[in-house]
Amino acid sequence: QKEVEQNSGPLSVPEGAIASLNCTYSDRGSQSFFWYRQYSGKSPELIMFIYSNGDKEDGRFTAQLNKASQYVSLLIRDSQPSDSATYLCAVIGIQGAQKLVFGQGTRLTINP
Amino acid sequence: EAQVTQNPRYLITVTGKKLTVTCSQNMNHEYMSWYRQDPGLGLRQIYYSMNVEVTDKGDVPEGYKVSRKEKRNFPLILESPSPNQTSLYFCASSLVPGNEQYFGPGTRLTVT
Repeated sequence: QKEVEQNSGPLSVPEGAIASLNCTYSDRGSQSFFWYRQYSGKSPELIMFIYSNGDKEDGRFTAQLNKASQYVSLLIRDSQPSDSATYLCAVIGIQGAQKLVFGQGTRLTINP
Repeated sequence: EAQVTQNPRYLITVTGKKLTVTCSQNMNHEYMSWYRQDPGLGLRQIYYSMNVEVTDKGDVPEGYKVSRKEKRNFPLILESPSPNQTSLYFCASSLVPGNEQYFGPGTRLTVT
């Protein structure tokens, strides 16, 4: 089992709709969870981080964490064509406290 | 401007010819890391450094060396590059391991 798993997609969503990106992780002791966005040919940039169970909102983005289910998600409301990118889930666990482990990424396309 | 810089951005070389990719950050970050990104495999950590003279292996360290003689610099060394090291390489830094990582622009390496 991979340490961090994401649906590779591609995920296609119409403009204005909600895009939902999912991530599961294997290390039950994981403490820190991150969502990065990566445009084609560019470096990853952090868009959200979450440490506690529940929801965390930042503008059109909401991160959701459920440690019991070992599941973290990212919702993008009112999706815009500029949201088209690959979204990377990343996790820091207890065993690898210094190691940030990435999922393989989900490619998201917002259709005008 | 706070940033992570990498050089060169693009490099084509031949098997066995030693090369160094430089990485420098101006944010006084303690933690620095190297990743490689390959299609379908996501970002995988090569080496990381907690501070000056403190380095450790990530998930895919074979064929790579690093050094951390100054806080701001973390070069990646390929002593004898092979074609399977053809990849997109990113350097990243953060204040401490659990914090947001800032990524450099990437180095696209081709080994023939």
